[in-house]
Order: sequence, then structure tokens, then C-alpha cells
Amino acid sequence: GAVVSQHPSWVICKSGTSVKIECRSLDFQATTMFWYRQFPKQSLMLMATSNEGSKATYEQGVEKDKFLINHASLTLSTLTVTSAHPEDSSFYICSASPGLAGAVLSYNEQFFGPGTRLTVL
Amino acid sequence: GIQVEQSPPDLILQEGANSTLRCNFSDSVNNLQWFHQNPWGQLINLFYIPSGTKQNGRLSATTVATERYSLLYISSSQTTDSGVYFCAGRQAGTALIFGKGTTLSVSS
Repeated sequence: GAVVSQHPSWVICKSGTSVKIECRSLDFQATTMFWYRQFPKQSLMLMATSNEGSKATYEQGVEKDKFLINHASLTLSTLTVTSAHPEDSSFYICSASPGLAGAVLSYNEQFFGPGTRLTVL
Repeated sequence: GIQVEQSPPDLILQEGANSTLRCNFSDSVNNLQWFHQNPWGQLINLFYIPSGTKQNGRLSATTVATERYSLLYISSSQTTDSGVYFCAGRQAGTALIFGKGTTLSVSS
């Protein structure tokens, strides 16, 4: 159990276009999902917290109008990079926790998707 | 938020050697996890260990929550152990915060 998927796994787009990345929890429900960004040879940096049915919470320095997050259901969160530019090229990773006390999976443990590599030309 | 520091930043080993990776965190956490990031970027969950000791094959981890540190032990290292190891901590109601990682290179 505890599988998180992402789609697409990689995408190349032209500057100025928008790109949508999907994050799904396949075998558990997640009221909260998290989006991270990782530049080459660096660590994962938290971008935002995605809450089902409410607005996302963005970390300082992350433009909410540029990185649109929608958590439409308990198993799906989407990140849309709007008007992408070359500096947005990065590895984007989502994560989720089961979030239910007493579940088979640890309440607090986070599981990560395989990531989406975005290249903006 | 909390700060997570990992050491050493880089580690080079011969196959068969043992190693210890350390993670210090600036404040108490209720979740501490160790990950191995494979060459394709996938984060592999190694341990969920907010306190105590766990073992899984050649890997084991210990977290001393009162002293705010965690250790990851790798015994009899193999070339397939190469990669980046991250620890990450989390306080209640927040997301995991990652350290900068330890890059391990195991040569045959």
C-alpha cells in the first residue's frame, strides 16, 4: 500500500505555455498533499500544502498565481505551472499522508510520487 | 520552521564497508523519516522513525528524540547503495522539511 503516482513523468514545453501535473494517492485517501521542487544537486524545497476542498497554503517566495494548486478530491491534487519560463525548469514531487488515525498505514508517514521533470525551452 | 542538518555531505566507501549518516534537527519533531533517492529521482522510504531503533536488512536507524538527532547505519555496503540519502522532519500540522542530503558513493 501507500502508492502515490504522478503524471506526466516528464514534460518539455515552450516558454509561455502552461503545464498541469497530477498527483494521485492510489490506495489511500489524503486530505492533505504536499508539493515540492528540487533543482539539480539540491534538496527538496516545500512549495505548498494542498488541502482537499480549500485553498492551498503556499510557502514564502512561491507565487500562488504562477503555481496553481487544485485538490479536487481525496485522491487527486494538481499543480499547474502557468506561463512557464526556463527558470521554472525543475523536478516537481508531490507527497501525501494517509491522515487517518488507526489506519493500517502510519498516520504520520509521508509517501512520495515518482516526480515530474519539467523542462521549459 | 525546523532546520534539518545532515552530515557528512559526501561519503565515499569501498564495497563491504560500514557507514553512519547523521541528521540533527533544530526542534522537536513528531515525524522523522529517512529516504534514499534513486538515480531517477524517486524517493524510497527507508524508515519512519520519530523515536527508537528500527532495522531492515543491512540498514538500521536510531532516533534520540530528546537530543534531536537521528542516525542511519548502513552495514556491508554495496554499489547499489549509492545515491543520495535524505532525512526529513515534521512537526504537527506541517510538511516534512528536508536536510541537504548525504551523497554516498560505493565502489567495488
